[in-house]
Amino acid sequence: KAGVTQTPRYLIKTRGQQVTLSCSPISGHRSVSWYQQTPGQGLQFLFEYFSETQRNKGNFPGRFSGRQFSNSRSEMNVSTLELGDSALYLCASSLEGTGLYEQYFGPGTRLTVT
Amino acid sequence: AQSVTQLGSHVSVSEGALVLLRCNYSSSVPPYLFWYVQYPNQGLQLLLKYTSAATLVKGINGFEAEFKKSETSFHLTKPSAHMSDAAEYFCAVSPNNAGNMLTFGGGTRLMVKP
Repeated sequence: KAGVTQTPRYLIKTRGQQVTLSCSPISGHRSVSWYQQTPGQGLQFLFEYFSETQRNKGNFPGRFSGRQFSNSRSEMNVSTLELGDSALYLCASSLEGTGLYEQYFGPGTRLTVT
Repeated sequence: AQSVTQLGSHVSVSEGALVLLRCNYSSSVPPYLFWYVQYPNQGLQLLLKYTSAATLVKGINGFEAEFKKSETSFHLTKPSAHMSDAAEYFCAVSPNNAGNMLTFGGGTRLMVKP
């Protein structure tokens, strides 16, 4: 079974631009979560989608948004990029959304904002 | 609100020695607890999880962890370190009734000396 895939793997953007990251979960998984990883703040939860509905949201500004499609693929968007948005963005998928099932992480998208 | 504290951002052991990585949590409700490992330029891989069954949890690669409610701890151990264990380890907690939202500790980088 194919793992979680994230595209693109690397991205360089300029401050003020917007960016869209994509995540394809493992086949059959309905829950997709997003995390931001930075050296200063560590791993922080962004949001979780389950059956196309956002179920949980972390403490991030409204510039960070996401969505999930009917095939469970998910995208996250960051508008008006700031230098501090430079990070590794990780996506994780899970069979269900109860916490009992393992979350499988993708390799991440490394975003650099200049 | 939940939080996770990992004591020691860097731990160094000799090959063959005991590995002990410390994790303490705070949670208002009985949580689910997890240990993840991250190798360079990769996503996170689940080592083991506690979901209110047995308090001693065995994971992959010879790792195990014990849930101690009285100490609010979930320390990770391995009897004998291998060079391949060198990586960053994250302890995480999620509420047992609110989906897949993980709160991570700051991480511990494990170095294994030959």
